[in-house]
Formats: sequence, C-alpha cells, structure tokens
Amino acid sequence: KAGVTQTPRYLIKTRGQQVTLSCSPISGHRSVSWYQQTPGQGLQFLFEYFSETQRNKGNFPGRFSGRQFSNSRSEMNVSTLELGDSALYLCASRPAGTYEQYFGPGTRLTVT
Amino acid sequence: QQQVKQSPQSLIVQKGGISIINCAYENTAFDYFPWYQQFPGKGPALLIAIRPDVSEKKEGRFTISFNKSAKQFSLHIMDSQPGDSATYFCAASGSQGAQKLVFGQGTRLTINP
Repeated sequence: KAGVTQTPRYLIKTRGQQVTLSCSPISGHRSVSWYQQTPGQGLQFLFEYFSETQRNKGNFPGRFSGRQFSNSRSEMNVSTLELGDSALYLCASRPAGTYEQYFGPGTRLTVT
Repeated sequence: QQQVKQSPQSLIVQKGGISIINCAYENTAFDYFPWYQQFPGKGPALLIAIRPDVSEKKEGRFTISFNKSAKQFSLHIMDSQPGDSATYFCAASGSQGAQKLVFGQGTRLTINP
C-alpha cells in the first residue's frame, strides 16, 4: 500500500500570504490528523478529521483551518502567515478502529 | 496535565550497546503510548506502541517497558546499530480525543560504530 502523501514537499511564502497544504491518506484510512513540528515547540496537534467532520482541534489560532473531502483527502490552510508559522507540517492517517497513526513526509513551510 | 516529558535530549551509545529513552506523563486518561522514529527529512515512523494493560512489549530489538503506577514508560533498543541513529519521540493519547497525540520533546540518538 502506498503511504501518506503530502504536497507540496517544500514551500516558501511571504508574511501575510496564505497557504494551502494537501494530504492524501493511506487507502482505506478515513481519519486524518495534522501536526506542526518546530525545533522550539516540537510536535503539536493541529486538528483531526473523520468522514469530512472535524473531530478534534488543538490550541492554534483561527488562522489555521482544515477540511476533508469525501475521498478522505485533506487540506489545511493557514491565512495571514507569520514568521513563526515556519515549520514542518505533518499529516497522519489512521485505520478505523485503531489508535495507530501513520505519518507522511511533511511539507516544509518557510515564511519570509 | 497534557505534557509528556522525555529524557534524555540526546544520547550517544556504542554499537552493540543498549539505548534507553524514558518518558513520563501526568494525565491518567492516557491509554495509548507509541514510540516514533524520525530520520532527517522524513516524517515520524511508528516503531512500537503499548496499552496500559501490559507492562512490557517487545518487537525485535525494540522493547517498551510500562509502569502504570509511576506513570512512566521507556524504550529500550538492544544491540544498537548505526542505522538506529535518529530522533525518537514518545507520545500518548487517551480514549477521549484518541487521535490527539501528545508528544515528548524528542531524543537524538547517535550510535557510534
């Protein structure tokens, strides 16, 4: 089975712009979670989607949003980018009925 | 209460030795404890995980030891190899909001040949 795929892998944006990141889960996985990884804060949970519904949200400002489509693919959006949003954004998918989360390679976002 | 504390931050072990990484948690609602391995430029890969109904789980050279009363768990890597050099993260989640993994800060493991 193909793993979790994320596009793009690298992105450079300017402060104030917005960005959309995409995630395709492992085939058959309906749950998708997003995490932000930075050297200072480590890995932090952003939100989780299941069957197109947000089920859980981390402690991030409203500039961070997401959605999930009927094919389980997910996107996250960050509006009004700040320098501190520079991070590796990771997507993870999970098979139904389990706790195991499988991560993609991430999107490296740099805000200048 | 949501924190998971991981130690040490960095660890150097000789090839063939045992690598030990420790984590402690406070939230007694946590009931799933995975370990992830991350190489530079890659996403975290699930290594091994444990539920609190067992005190130890072994998969190949990797063992999780779990102490429910102390709220601690650890990863042991036996016969450590240079290819094990990576950053290791412990994590925890609970049955409420099961998919919200709370991660430790990570341990950078270096195995010297």
